[in-house]
Amino acid sequence: GAVVSQHPSRVICKSGTSVKIECRSLDFQATTMFWYRQFPKQSLMLMATSNEGSKATYEQGVEKDKFLINHASLTLSTLTVTSAHPEDSSFYICSAGQGARFGEAFFGQGTRLTVV
Amino acid sequence: KQEVTQIPAALSVPEGENLVLNCSFTDSAIYNLQWFRQDPGKGLTSLLLIQSSQREQTSGRLNASLDKSSGRSTLYIAASQPGDSATYLCAVNPGGGNKLTFGTGTQLKVEL
Repeated sequence: GAVVSQHPSRVICKSGTSVKIECRSLDFQATTMFWYRQFPKQSLMLMATSNEGSKATYEQGVEKDKFLINHASLTLSTLTVTSAHPEDSSFYICSAGQGARFGEAFFGQGTRLTVV
Repeated sequence: KQEVTQIPAALSVPEGENLVLNCSFTDSAIYNLQWFRQDPGKGLTSLLLIQSSQREQTSGRLNASLDKSSGRSTLYIAASQPGDSATYLCAVNPGGGNKLTFGTGTQLKVEL
């Protein structure tokens, strides 16, 4: 299957600082990538759809000014958590697919963010 | 709004047992359904993908079935092993664009 790489796998930051998470499709081009969030013992919730060359589409209730998404190329999307607070501590995971033709989604390894 | 539910939420079985995990979804208009495995603190590993036109898919000891009209899918694990211990998630793809709605997950523990 296709490979999606996410970095870093774990980050601890101080409250008020910003953290950038990268998601790369290593062996295919992804015009669309997705960012999910997972709280402990809960399932994954879609945060936003990252569109190459255009603005991201955010799900209801997700603050676009807090979670900045940039999809500058066909293989890279970044999620920046701005002015992080302890309640932003969570597991963030990205996914990408090769589009409707293939239909299968591939996920990165995830990033455990802890805000202290 | 699509809702995906998995039963049971947690399951503990002895090694060697065959088991079935259940997934139900409220809107039958799906493009495909995917089963994933998630180890603690890790990302997702794709196990099986079933297109909406298919009834089942098999990979090794795993077999997934799909009954789209009734909004149900099952994941069958044969001869379970301790290494199968993980959380299993099903996810539906409503429109073919890889955007998924996830189920609540089943936490499986296979004991020696």
